[in-house]
Amino acid sequence: TAGITQAPTSQILAAGRSMTLRCTQDMRHNAMYWYRQDLGLGLRLIHYSNTAGTTGKGEVPDGYSVSRANTDDFPLTLASAVPSQTSVYFCASSEAEGANVLTFGAGSRLTVL
Amino acid sequence: GQNIDQPTEMTATEGAIVQINCTYQTSGFNGLFWYQQHAGEAPTFLSYNVLDGLEEKGRFSSFLSRSKGYSYLLLKELQMKDSASYLCAVRDSNYQLIWGAGTKLIIKP
Repeated sequence: TAGITQAPTSQILAAGRSMTLRCTQDMRHNAMYWYRQDLGLGLRLIHYSNTAGTTGKGEVPDGYSVSRANTDDFPLTLASAVPSQTSVYFCASSEAEGANVLTFGAGSRLTVL
Repeated sequence: GQNIDQPTEMTATEGAIVQINCTYQTSGFNGLFWYQQHAGEAPTFLSYNVLDGLEEKGRFSSFLSRSKGYSYLLLKELQMKDSASYLCAVRDSNYQLIWGAGTKLIIKP
């Protein structure tokens, strides 16, 4: 089934450690996004990429970095995790920047202790 | 600032009709979206409104009034599988999506 694959599904991480959340899509979508979802808050955009080779900062980029070496992959890295980064992380994609439909991955639940 | 408001939780009965409201204040407007999210799963696209009026898609309808900064999602003939959170999002003048916190809908038999 075409879509977005995220890994890991869940992870417990010690504060100060680094972590990369993986995201791969097989729909040949140009635009990809990383969101975090916290209880009582709307989805918040961390970073985005409108096309391979380009990235941009979203609403809450601090403490996170991304890369977009090719169309399919968009990993999110936490260089030195802090407890406030405990969240559910969703990767999403769309055919192009500004397209009407986002397709989301199943999410990665990260707990930082 | 930009703001999307929707009720935190609603309860409805199987077979009934429920209306989930969303009000917004954003910097510009380039469309309003509704997504469904079952517990522990990914959000999935339900509807898109950019012009005033009602968009109907099966048991689900979405309404938009741009002058009032208001939308609602109407779910008819409720089924137990409709128990989920419903997320309202608005695309602003920079084509960024602003998301509401979601409305958790509980369906009772």
